Amino acid sequence: NAGVMQNPRHLVRRRGQEARLRCSPMKGHSHVYWYRQLPEEGLKFMVYLQKENIIDESGMPKERFSAEFPKEGPSILRIQQVVRGDSAAYFCASSPSGAGLQETQYFGPGTRLLVL
Amino acid sequence: AQSVTQPDIHITVSEGASLELRCNYSYGATPYLFWYVQSPGQGLQLLLKYFSGDTLVQGIKGFEAEFKRSQSSFNLRKPSVHWSDAAEYFCAVGAGGGADGLTFGKGTHLIIQP
Repeated sequence: NAGVMQNPRHLVRRRGQEARLRCSPMKGHSHVYWYRQLPEEGLKFMVYLQKENIIDESGMPKERFSAEFPKEGPSILRIQQVVRGDSAAYFCASSPSGAGLQETQYFGPGTRLLVL
Repeated sequence: AQSVTQPDIHITVSEGASLELRCNYSYGATPYLFWYVQSPGQGLQLLLKYFSGDTLVQGIKGFEAEFKRSQSSFNLRKPSVHWSDAAEYFCAVGAGGGADGLTFGKGTHLIIQP
């Protein structure tokens, strides 16, 4: 059973470009969480999605950031017009059914975004 | 809102010595508590979690943690560390309900001396 997959593992963008980060949850998991880790910091919750639904986006910046989890395919975190401050590691986690935090969140290896 | 404090940014321990990593949380009700480990360039791996019941929780790789409500703490322990334990350790708290995600501390970097 493959774990949570994220790609690309490393992404370099110039200021003003768009970044698209993809996350494929573990097989059988229908709930996805995105977190951002700035250098020397812990992970910060960004957004929680089910298939075709955003459940909680309280941690998402109000502008330039969006997330989706379509019926088919991976979850996508999209950052438009990237700035240097967006440079960070972005982690995706998945859980089977989102039935409370009693279900473990399984983390992917992360995408390390560098904005030049 | 909940918060997590890991007071030690770095800890150095000799191989074979015991280890305790501190974690204090702030939350009004009984929280869901987690410890994760992150090796360089890798994702996070769950070591253990506490929801209710026995306050001493056993995890993988020989780790354990004790929930102390009176101290709002969830310290991670291991009786004898191995060089492979060198990594970043994160304590996290969840409010329950599944919708809020986890709140993480800033992490403790564990260094193992030979």
